[in-house]
Amino acid sequence: AQSVTQLGSHVSVSEGALVLLRCNYSSSVPPYLFWYVQYPNQGLQLLLKYTSAATLVKGINGFEAEFKKSETSYHLTKPSAHMSDAAEYFCAAGTGTASKLTFGTGTRLQVTL
Amino acid sequence: EAQVTQNPRYLITVTGKKLTVTCSQNMNHEYMSWYRQDPGLGLRQIYYSMNVEVTDKGDVPEGYKVSRKEKRNFPLILESPSPNQTSLYFCASTSPVDSYNEQFFGPGTRLTVL
Repeated sequence: AQSVTQLGSHVSVSEGALVLLRCNYSSSVPPYLFWYVQYPNQGLQLLLKYTSAATLVKGINGFEAEFKKSETSYHLTKPSAHMSDAAEYFCAAGTGTASKLTFGTGTRLQVTL
Repeated sequence: EAQVTQNPRYLITVTGKKLTVTCSQNMNHEYMSWYRQDPGLGLRQIYYSMNVEVTDKGDVPEGYKVSRKEKRNFPLILESPSPNQTSLYFCASTSPVDSYNEQFFGPGTRLTVL
């Protein structure tokens, strides 16, 4: 069965610093991969998705993610954190059937002055 | 505007009192799902539906029922809610043709069972 692992349930960075949120998936078949963001008391918003067209994917708000098949990873990065990036981030994977996404447990990003 | 709507957004109830959370989408999507979100566990799928009258269990179906009588609607039914069903619930929809498994989520329903 597909599984998604997010390393670090909480990540804290200073404003202006690099953001790196880690995601690894387990699948012999490269899945469709997604990053969603959840701001406090809100629903899930798609940040970006990997669909095999390009390994480096640029999303909204300056985020990007790179698919590395050899490492089964899809880490999320942003060169310079902003206070408004404080939220919870979820990595998710889907394979084959569109019936389901498997989610990681989430990483809460804190941005400090 | 393409969207998934859920009602109610907030609900406090008591153990054993049947409730229904409604979900509707206007994107003509074939697939719809219900997820629950719990701290430290991420989102877990409860039930899904691939089309009208076609539903199947997800990872955590115990204590829940669903139905899909119309393509746009996918209600979640808790016939006898218990405190361990206190959670944040999301409805989602997708199309296997257009969306590469991307799920479009509703705004969430926060349920508290006392």
